[in-house]
Amino acid sequence: SYDLTQPPSVSVSPGQTATITCSGDALTKQFVYWYQQKPGQAPILVIYKDTERPSGIPERFSGSSSGTTVTLTISGIQAEDEAEYYCQSADSTGLYVFATGTKVTVL
Amino acid sequence: QVLLVQSGAEVKKPGASVKISCRTSGYAFINHYIHWVRQAPGPGFEWMGVINAKDGNITYAQKFQDRVIMTRDTSARTVSVELRSLTVQDTAVYYCARDPLDCNGGRCFRYFDYWGQGSLVTVAS
Repeated sequence: SYDLTQPPSVSVSPGQTATITCSGDALTKQFVYWYQQKPGQAPILVIYKDTERPSGIPERFSGSSSGTTVTLTISGIQAEDEAEYYCQSADSTGLYVFATGTKVTVL
Repeated sequence: QVLLVQSGAEVKKPGASVKISCRTSGYAFINHYIHWVRQAPGPGFEWMGVINAKDGNITYAQKFQDRVIMTRDTSARTVSVELRSLTVQDTAVYYCARDPLDCNGGRCFRYFDYWGQGSLVTVAS
């Protein structure tokens, strides 16, 4: 198995930019997927294959990748973006791995 | 639109079994796999396994393979998971999640594009 590491929390003011990192040695070979989860709700896919955004997800959500670190960026953050964000990856053997999540607080 | 609707919360005693269902709509059922993922406060998200809705082929995570059974009913567009020999550590929210079957050049990308609303399973004596 392998580990994915996220910061436990990020706080930003409305309109500012939040960046959430996901690090792991395997990420030079595997894509990362990002999910938003609000309390009591199911996760929602916000970024897939490091940088792609599903239809219906606002343009302020973007992803990037460099080496062993993948980053989710929320530009012009809004109060409704306050949530827990999780990165997930998987290897060719079918092992699915989730990080422990980052709580994003909009001040 | 794509919907995955799960059965309700369950309370079970240690040693019992629980069965959770996931009824799907809004897409061609047999064209996708359905995964089961659970979320508990300590371990976080854990992938339990996946079922191919078309042929019923199943892959279980090694951690659960001795006590989990996944099934599907194509006429009802429903998949189910049964977990046996429950312990308090099985207390979690259980989710079904659709695999988008996003494949290119023989490589398939492993993620979940739609999730059910979750089913809370509480195991307590």
